[in-house]
Amino acid sequence: KNQVEQSPQSLIILEGKNCTLQCNYTVSPFSNLRWYKQDTGRGPVSLTIMTFSENTKSNGRYTATLDADTKQSSLHITASQLSDSASYICVVSRNNNAGNMLTFGGGTRLMVKP
Amino acid sequence: DSGVTQTPKHLITATGQRVTLRCSPRSGDLSVYWYQQSLDQGLQFLIQYYNGEERAKGNILERFSAQQFPDLHSELNLSSLELGDSALYFCASSVAGHGNQPQHFGDGTRLSIL
Repeated sequence: KNQVEQSPQSLIILEGKNCTLQCNYTVSPFSNLRWYKQDTGRGPVSLTIMTFSENTKSNGRYTATLDADTKQSSLHITASQLSDSASYICVVSRNNNAGNMLTFGGGTRLMVKP
Repeated sequence: DSGVTQTPKHLITATGQRVTLRCSPRSGDLSVYWYQQSLDQGLQFLIQYYNGEERAKGNILERFSAQQFPDLHSELNLSSLELGDSALYFCASSVAGHGNQPQHFGDGTRLSIL
């Protein structure tokens, strides 16, 4: 069964600290893995997209890693800011970008406190 | 601003009614996706259109239907509404219906069934 599991479900950190969110998947065949940030009441915003051959990709203070062998990905946030408070969603795509080929994780809810 | 426009932002109606949600994709994007996000739930893929044609179907109820018009805007029609249909409905668009392009999400329509 194609599944994407994210951990932790929720996380509270202090402003300025780093954190790492995890994503494990069993989706096959694999095409790409995406991380999205979703602010409360807003639509998700794409942070990174990684294909099989990419093992790291950065977008500002966000760095995603991918280990296709162990089927694990992580999203590392450096020097967190209050605006990083959001849900982070891991999405794995099979074969192509067709909607029914995307498997969504349940998200990690991050709260950054001053 | 993702460039994807969804209207209305909020919709309140009663059980048994029918509503239409509208989405204008980002300029140049040919593919439109519809998602449902219930309270504290992950994103559930409903349906995808590409250049006016249905491309992929997810867990979309028979009471729901969608279409994409020649100008590429899309509408999601929800009928015989039930309390459980209360959710955020997101539209996303991408350049093509396949490949590794990101999906750009609108800010959603919040549907409340009373």
